[in-house]
Amino acid sequence: DIQMTQSPSSLSASVGDRVTITCQASQDISNYLNWYQQKPGKAPKLLIYDASNLETGVPSRFSGSGSGTDFTFTISSLQPEDIATYYCQQYDNLLWTFGQGTKVEIK
Amino acid sequence: EVQLVESGGGLVQPGGSLRLSCAASGFTFSSYWMHWVRQAPGKGLVWVSRINSDGSSTSYADSVKGRFTISRDNAKNTLYLQMNSLRAEDTAVYYCARESAKFYYMDVWGKGTTVTVSS
Repeated sequence: DIQMTQSPSSLSASVGDRVTITCQASQDISNYLNWYQQKPGKAPKLLIYDASNLETGVPSRFSGSGSGTDFTFTISSLQPEDIATYYCQQYDNLLWTFGQGTKVEIK
Repeated sequence: EVQLVESGGGLVQPGGSLRLSCAASGFTFSSYWMHWVRQAPGKGLVWVSRINSDGSSTSYADSVKGRFTISRDNAKNTLYLQMNSLRAEDTAVYYCARESAKFYYMDVWGKGTTVTVSS
């Protein structure tokens, strides 16, 4: 099974800061990598699909990059409403896997 | 409005069984693959199971394989998760989610139903 290693597990940044989260797959997954945002008590929300495609309606300060085994998720200018936990998620033909999550807080 | 509503959660003893339901509305349920994802208290998201649009193909996480069964009734627009031999570590919020018709991601999620396994 493909394992996803997401880091850091948590981070604290100031409003306006650039925030970067990484996700590493245990084997090549091409660009089959998505990013979700989850706010407390809420269901997850898709932000980025296929590694770098912004979901419709998602602010452009969110972006993703990478392919193969190494992926990056970036918030270009952190806003107070971005406080949440972010998860990467990979899919192969049969099994899907989430990363461990990164909790983003305001400093 | 596209909507998924889970139900069936509750308190069950270790070794017991429970069946979760997910009622879909606002879209053509029979055209979409569906998933169950769970989240233990204070923990991250864990993919549980997936079923294709007509119910003929399923897959499971190793942690639930042989104990959980995903199924669907397209006439009733409902997804199910039959959970047997429940363990304390199955305690979680269980979400159903729709898989996008075009790409491999979950684009619509329910609000979840809580399962607690405890004596």
